[in-house]
Amino acid sequence: GQQVMQIPQYQHVQEGEDFTTYCNSSTTLSNIQWYKQRPGGHPVFLIQLVKSGEVKKQKRLTFQFGEAKKNSSLHITATQTTDVGTYFCAWGDSGGYQKVTFGTGTKLQVIP
Amino acid sequence: NAGVTQTPKFQVLKTGQSMTLQCAQDMNHEYMSWYRQDPGMGLRLIHYSVGAGITDQGEVPNGYNVSRSTTEDFPLRLLSAAPSQTSVYFCASSSPPYGYTFGSGTRLTVV
Repeated sequence: GQQVMQIPQYQHVQEGEDFTTYCNSSTTLSNIQWYKQRPGGHPVFLIQLVKSGEVKKQKRLTFQFGEAKKNSSLHITATQTTDVGTYFCAWGDSGGYQKVTFGTGTKLQVIP
Repeated sequence: NAGVTQTPKFQVLKTGQSMTLQCAQDMNHEYMSWYRQDPGMGLRLIHYSVGAGITDQGEVPNGYNVSRSTTEDFPLRLLSAAPSQTSVYFCASSSPPYGYTFGSGTRLTVV
């Protein structure tokens, strides 16, 4: 069956350093979404990628979808304390968005 | 717009009790889902719906029932609460191809 690993599980960075989290799948993904959950909060949708090799940017955040659509990454440039939280990748079932499964998440701590 | 509204925000149940977690959305979204999140863990899909009258099971459906009689509402029923169902429950809705909008969650403790 499909297996998706999200790494690392935890990351502590000094404020101003960069941060990257990865999702790696054993099979081709039809789409991938990224969410952020602040401590004590609910997940908030950040972005969706559907095309092979797609790259999207949101201010200091860069999202990539691999050429084979088996890998994705979220990169934050020059982290700030407001970036603290858990970042999840999520993927829809084959060809659709009905059944969305979440990765285990990467918990980011930013040290001021 | 209120978005996705979940009630109650907190609930304590005794083992064996039943209850319904309410979820309503006012965005006319087709898709709705229920997830549970245990401490330090990701979100696990319980049940989902692609439209009124259509529901399907997710990863962890045992002990839970759902129904979708209207586009707006997607209640989750715990049939006979067990301590293993202590968790934070999130309801979410979406309109493809966009991502899910989540409610603020219900923190459930079963004693």
